[in-house]
Amino acid sequence: DAGVIQSPRHEVTEMGQEVTLRCKPISGHDYLFWYRQTMMRGLELLIYFNNNVPIDDSGMPEDRFSAKMPNASFSTLKIQPSEPRDSAVYFCASRGTSGSGVGGSSSYNEQFFGPGTRLTVL
Amino acid sequence: RKEVEQDPGPFNVPEGATVAFNCTYSNSASQSFFWYRQDCRKEPKLLMSVYSSGNEDGRFTAQLNRASQYISLLIRDSKLSDSATYLCVVKRGGGSYIPTFGRGTSLIVHP
Repeated sequence: DAGVIQSPRHEVTEMGQEVTLRCKPISGHDYLFWYRQTMMRGLELLIYFNNNVPIDDSGMPEDRFSAKMPNASFSTLKIQPSEPRDSAVYFCASRGTSGSGVGGSSSYNEQFFGPGTRLTVL
Repeated sequence: RKEVEQDPGPFNVPEGATVAFNCTYSNSASQSFFWYRQDCRKEPKLLMSVYSSGNEDGRFTAQLNRASQYISLLIRDSKLSDSATYLCVVKRGGGSYIPTFGRGTSLIVHP
């Protein structure tokens, strides 16, 4: 069964351009999380959704960042305009409740991460 | 003080060695604790949950010390394949689903 799917896997863009990252969570999972990972700051939670509704976006660094989840199987993270300091690996993760959904684990606390999008802003 | 702190390492150990990592957390209301493993250029994956009574999974043992607010991970008989970064994760209680990740401890197991 497919895990969390992210696209693109790599993105190189120039400062000022719009960047859109995509995520497909594991079917049946009702929580979706967006993280950013850098050497300096480690793994930071940006925003998370429950049943497609944004619950906490306090980790979003600034107004240039926005995230949407139009349905249970798709979410986007958009950066407009992008800046060199946005260069990082962006992970999407999903989790279910009460062991729901495909994921291979009975632990409802487990978050399943996608492979990440490695973003470089020149 | 950071909410979750880990020694970044790297811990450089020979095969067969026993190695232990600690992770301290600042919020005494924290309720759930986990260790994740992250291989180089890969995504984090759950290694094990940490229970109040301590728990063991093969060569891995996790323990929680609420009084001193730290969790530990012990790896016995280290294998080359154990080389990775180990992330400590803490979640608050009260229905909060927000996990806080430590920055990770790097382990290198050499022949």
